[in-house]
Amino acid sequence: GAGVSQSPSNKVTEKGKDVELRCDPISGHTALYWYRQSLGQGLEFLIYFQGNSAPDKSGLPSDRFSAERTGGSVSTLTIQRTQQEDSAVYLCASSFRAYGYTFGSGTRLTVV
Amino acid sequence: GIQVEQSPPDLILQEGANSTLRCNFSDSVNNLQWFHQNPWGQLINLFYIPSGTKQNGRLSATTVATERYSLLYISSSQTTDSGVYFCAVSPGGSEKLVFGKGTKLTVNP
Repeated sequence: GAGVSQSPSNKVTEKGKDVELRCDPISGHTALYWYRQSLGQGLEFLIYFQGNSAPDKSGLPSDRFSAERTGGSVSTLTIQRTQQEDSAVYLCASSFRAYGYTFGSGTRLTVV
Repeated sequence: GIQVEQSPPDLILQEGANSTLRCNFSDSVNNLQWFHQNPWGQLINLFYIPSGTKQNGRLSATTVATERYSLLYISSSQTTDSGVYFCAVSPGGSEKLVFGKGTKLTVNP
């Protein structure tokens, strides 16, 4: 597609439920990144994919967070047993080689 | 880990004024990018500039990697330039970006 597409744009979930966030990167972009943005913590790196493999998962905050990428394209970020501190905007970006990132519009997650 | 400091944290301008935003980083980097986050939250990539100087219309950026800083220049500012400007860097050997806290720019008509 023309840009990075994320869905849903907004998600309200009850504490303890699992959620899945989707990212569809720009076609041909081999690198894909997940970040989250919250008021107190700024923009934080979560995970980086090169193709379908994730050489850097160092930003995932706990084992409740996991991500996968299939076909070198779509990625899914899964948060299990959501907690209130998981509330944030989750941003996906893709890039090709050494060029700059293109970010999606994000998923605003609210855990109530 | 690497530290990224942006200044000033807040900046208020009248339309038509020029400004310079600064980004200092604490270690060598292999990637430096400037982003603009508009009031609706969309992050737009302005420059990929690990070194040297680039210009795009009213915006230009310079990175002096040996001295570990980058500058973003905005000339003849417009109200649509309002938002938060982020500098982000990748330490050597890493692909992830570490973001600064941003400069919040308000351009008044």
